[in-house]
Amino acid sequence: DGGITQSPKYLFRKEGQNVTLSCEQNLNHDAMYWYRQDPGQGLRLIYYSQIVNDFQKGDIAEGYSVSREKKESFPLTVTSAQKNPTAFYLCATRTSGNNEQFFGPGTRLTVL
Amino acid sequence: SQQGEEDPQALSIQEGENATMNCSYKTSINNLQWYRQNSGRGLVHLILIRSNEREKHSGRLRVTLDTSKKSSSLLITASRAADTASYFCATDVYDMRFGAGTRLTVKP
Repeated sequence: DGGITQSPKYLFRKEGQNVTLSCEQNLNHDAMYWYRQDPGQGLRLIYYSQIVNDFQKGDIAEGYSVSREKKESFPLTVTSAQKNPTAFYLCATRTSGNNEQFFGPGTRLTVL
Repeated sequence: SQQGEEDPQALSIQEGENATMNCSYKTSINNLQWYRQNSGRGLVHLILIRSNEREKHSGRLRVTLDTSKKSSSLLITASRAADTASYFCATDVYDMRFGAGTRLTVKP
């Protein structure tokens, strides 16, 4: 069963804590992306990676960090420097042919 | 910067009516894609139109592309309550960015 897995589905964090969101794919896609979505809003690009061991900042990278040590995995860490992290986080991959994106089911992060 | 901007922001119609939403973009493209997002879910790819195509159909979906105006439209015919969702366009640049989307509500 191919696809993108994001875990957990719901995540609660206390203020001042770092938390890591998982994104795993078995689609063999090189490019992976992290987006943030606030209620009623569009998607904002946090970080993206075109290839293993390389990644670039998106529009709202401050307070977030990523790693890309394996092709299959692109974890996102929300640090305590992110002042308003409560949001819906979406991970995506992209094919190298026509650039179609595939999205995971998302993680809803709530800061208590 | 955003690669695609959807218009209108919100659209409400009755079941059976057609829904049209538009997308404008800024750069040259090889293709343009439309996605749908149901509430609280990830985006799902609907249709892709290449820069050398002017119109494409997929079931009840019809997409047009005008590269001279850097715009595209998505038409959903004979809409159903299940079409209620947000719709986004995206171009084929490597740093895939999305606009705010069009929120479609189809009333039964």
